[in-house]
Amino acid sequence: DAGVIQSPRHEVTEMGQEVTLRCKPISGHDYLFWYRQTMMRGLELLIYFNNNVPIDDSGMPEDRFSAKMPNASFSTLKIQPSEPRDSAVYFCASSPMAGGGEGYTFGSGTRLTVV
Amino acid sequence: DAKTTQPPSMDCAEGRAANLPCNHSTISGNEYVYWYRQIHSQGPQYIIHGLKNNETNEMASLIITEDRKSSTLILPHATLRDTAVYYCIVRVAQGYVNTDKLIFGTGTRLQVFP
Repeated sequence: DAGVIQSPRHEVTEMGQEVTLRCKPISGHDYLFWYRQTMMRGLELLIYFNNNVPIDDSGMPEDRFSAKMPNASFSTLKIQPSEPRDSAVYFCASSPMAGGGEGYTFGSGTRLTVV
Repeated sequence: DAKTTQPPSMDCAEGRAANLPCNHSTISGNEYVYWYRQIHSQGPQYIIHGLKNNETNEMASLIITEDRKSSTLILPHATLRDTAVYYCIVRVAQGYVNTDKLIFGTGTRLQVFP
């Protein structure tokens, strides 16, 4: 099992540009989560999906952020337009069906720098 | 907001047991306690979780007090590779149904020294 796969590992973009982060969850995991990590705010839950359906997007900071999960094996987090304050490490995680179990498996993250 | 309180940092000698405390005084009866760790620049890694009883796996032991208001993660023989930030998390419950939301706090930075 390759685990949760995120791409790209690093992204540097100019302010105002569109940024798309990608995630492939572990096969068979019904839940997918997007987190953002900064020094100031720590790990923040942005949104999570169950069976490809967004369940809770209350952590999405503003309308510039959007997330989709078109199928069970792929999700995107898009920022349009990007701003310097969006610079952070973005993590994707997946987990099996609800009801306990061994928690989430996180990807290696995408380090985003907006200049 | 995170429902847990942890010391910001701790030190431990290699080979000794590391005992990481966590307070969760407002925990509800159906909420689990989870522990994760994050080694520098990597994604968080699941360690262990529990509800009421003490738990043990190949990585660690989790001791939960009888009133469930606090818990301790024990790494029985700490190694240099255990140096990381350790997060104690209460799994969010909505009404009587546990959700799958895990809200991370600031964690404890554990430094294992030779």
